[in-house]
Amino acid sequence: AQSVTQLDSHVSVSEGTPVLLRCNYSSSYSPSLFWYVQHPNKGLQLLLKYTSAATLVKGINGFEAEFKKSETSFHLTKPSAHMSDAAEYFCVVSALSGSARQLTFGSGTQLTVLP
Amino acid sequence: NAGVTQTPKFRILKIGQSMTLQCAQDMNHNYMYWYRQDPGMGLKLIYYSVGAGITDKGEVPNGYNVSRSTTEDFPLRLELAAPSQTSVYFCASSPLSTARAGEQYFGPGTRLTVT
Repeated sequence: AQSVTQLDSHVSVSEGTPVLLRCNYSSSYSPSLFWYVQHPNKGLQLLLKYTSAATLVKGINGFEAEFKKSETSFHLTKPSAHMSDAAEYFCVVSALSGSARQLTFGSGTQLTVLP
Repeated sequence: NAGVTQTPKFRILKIGQSMTLQCAQDMNHNYMYWYRQDPGMGLKLIYYSVGAGITDKGEVPNGYNVSRSTTEDFPLRLELAAPSQTSVYFCASSPLSTARAGEQYFGPGTRLTVT
């Protein structure tokens, strides 16, 4: 079984300050982990993914995440927030189930960026 | 490429009515998925398909049916709409490559209200 816990349902930062969105996972096997972003009234878009190569993963729009097995964490960071980063972010774990790789989503973190 | 397209964007149904949510992709992806997203929650998998003619249940399949007669299309059928099916529905697709396993492409969603 696998699960994902996003530790903050809402995060608010000022433009130009760092962003930290926290995610802990539970998985019976070596997991594949993802961050997806959802802008208002849009579908989800892949930000970045970890699939057992480098533990520090770089994604689009300046985001990165670090896989820490000892802490079972996969936190998302960005050095400097931009207004366009305001969105909902989902941490996702993937595992093979049946005949396809299925995704288990966290409950999401709403990021607000203040001017 | 149009990517993953969904119709309609919005729909209001009365209890007991039926409808089909349409989903199409033009990326020649083998895998397709249907999710629902309830307020404040992550996405939950309803059904998925690994190719034409093959479908399987996800986490929350009750009250829904699917079919996959072509690679491109994956419609979701609600037979007897209930208020509990009020949600936003997302269709997604992904390629067969295991290197990209878990990387899914999402449509813009269908917002369904059942009253």
